[in-house]
Amino acid sequence: EVQLVESGGIEVQPGGSLRLSCAASGFTFRTYTMHWVRQPPGKGLEWVSLITGHGRLTAYADSVRGRFAISRDNSKNSLYLRLDSLTPEDTGFYYCAKEHDTGWPTFDSWGPGTLVTVSS
Amino acid sequence: SSELTQDPAVSVALGQTVRITCQGDSLKNYYASWYQQKPGQAPVLIIYGETNRPSGIPDRFSGSRSGNTASLTVTGAQAEDEGDYYCNSRDTSGTQVVFGGGTKLTV
Repeated sequence: EVQLVESGGIEVQPGGSLRLSCAASGFTFRTYTMHWVRQPPGKGLEWVSLITGHGRLTAYADSVRGRFAISRDNSKNSLYLRLDSLTPEDTGFYYCAKEHDTGWPTFDSWGPGTLVTVSS
Repeated sequence: SSELTQDPAVSVALGQTVRITCQGDSLKNYYASWYQQKPGQAPVLIIYGETNRPSGIPDRFSGSRSGNTASLTVTGAQAEDEGDYYCNSRDTSGTQVVFGGGTKLTV
C-alpha cells in the first residue's frame, strides 16, 4: 500500500524559511516523479513543484519559482521542499503527491498534508 | 487565476445525475484528471486520462471531453458524493500543472 506522510509544517514569520519533508513507502520511490501541491485553508488546490525520479528535472509554479526548492533523497525514500522568503500568501496545507503511471499531471496518491502558517 | 474554469457550486437530488464541467484551452491538447476532496481530507483521484477510473472508484463516476471542456458525470448521486471536485491538466504551454478552482457538490 502506498503511503505518503508529510512533516515540517509550522508557524513562521514573513520572510522566514522552512523545509518540508515527505516520507514515502509502498512503491519504488526512485522510479516516480513526485509533486508538491498546496491549498490555502478554505480555498482551492494549487500545484507547486515537481521533481523527476532521478532528480535531474524540476519545475515550479510561477508563484514560487526562485523562492522554493524541491529535492529528493532516493536512498531515504524522501521528498523535500525548501521554502524561503515566505509571505502570508504561502499559508496553507502542503501535500506531497505521487504521479500516476500514465504520467503527469495525474496524482494517484496523496499524503494527509502538513500546515504552513505564515504570520507575524 | 486558473487556466481551468469550473462552476463554484452545483447541487443534485439524491439518485439523480449531475455533470460538473471544466473548461480550458489546454484541454484540447492534454487529458484532464478529476479529484474528490471531502472536508479535512486529502484529494482522491477519481478519473484520469479523461475517462478512466482507478480501481475502487464506483462506476457512477464517469468522465468525458468535448472540445475544450472536460466533464465529470455522477449518475445516481449518493449522499456520500458530497464534497469538492477539482479538475487538473497541463497549462497551455505544457510545462506546468494547473487545477480548476473547484466545484462544491451538494446532494
